[in-house]
Amino acid sequence: EPEVTQTPSHQVTQMGQEVILRCVPISNHLYFYWYRQILGQKVEFLVSFYNNEISEKSEIFDDQFSVERPDGSNFTLKIRSTKLEDSAMYFCAIKVGTDTQYFGPGTRLTVL
Amino acid sequence: EDKVVQSPLSLVVHEGDTVTLNCSYEVTNFRSLLWYKQEKKAPTFLFMLTSSGIEKKSGRLSSILDKKELFSILNITATQTGDSAVYLCAGDEGAQKLVFGQGTRLTINP
Repeated sequence: EPEVTQTPSHQVTQMGQEVILRCVPISNHLYFYWYRQILGQKVEFLVSFYNNEISEKSEIFDDQFSVERPDGSNFTLKIRSTKLEDSAMYFCAIKVGTDTQYFGPGTRLTVL
Repeated sequence: EDKVVQSPLSLVVHEGDTVTLNCSYEVTNFRSLLWYKQEKKAPTFLFMLTSSGIEKKSGRLSSILDKKELFSILNITATQTGDSAVYLCAGDEGAQKLVFGQGTRLTINP
């Protein structure tokens, strides 16, 4: 299984602050995804990123969210002004082969 | 709207029992159906199914897809306490995103 790391493992922030979550795949991949899982709820798609562009985004992914791959390896998710309801586990995923997506260990975001 | 529904939501069995987990889906531009196991944090990949009627097996786990009935099952035989987890089913929508079900929480009692 391809290795994907995410940092930090846990982020605590105050409401209104900006956070940046990072995803580092061990080898080169073209397809990246962010998902989130609010405690006790289902995993929800946020955004897909292919060839350094957003290819699809969900209704959750509003103007407060952005993604980029600044240095060709790290893949980041930025939330500009966090809200209480942004508290969740955020998972990065990469696609290998045709359709299989492999998930990183996740970042737990807590907004106070 | 795309939808994936899993049943049961929760299942408690004794070690050694066989379990069947169900997943029905309505996903536009459907490409494949994936099963994941979620223990503490991240979903870990189990199976990807693209063709109807072809069973995939990995040890005590197996899965099959019915594209006519829009349905998949995951079987676990001779369950062990280490099988306790939430099992997630997801439909791949046009290779751009996975649509997840709410999961089945499986508890194996010794």
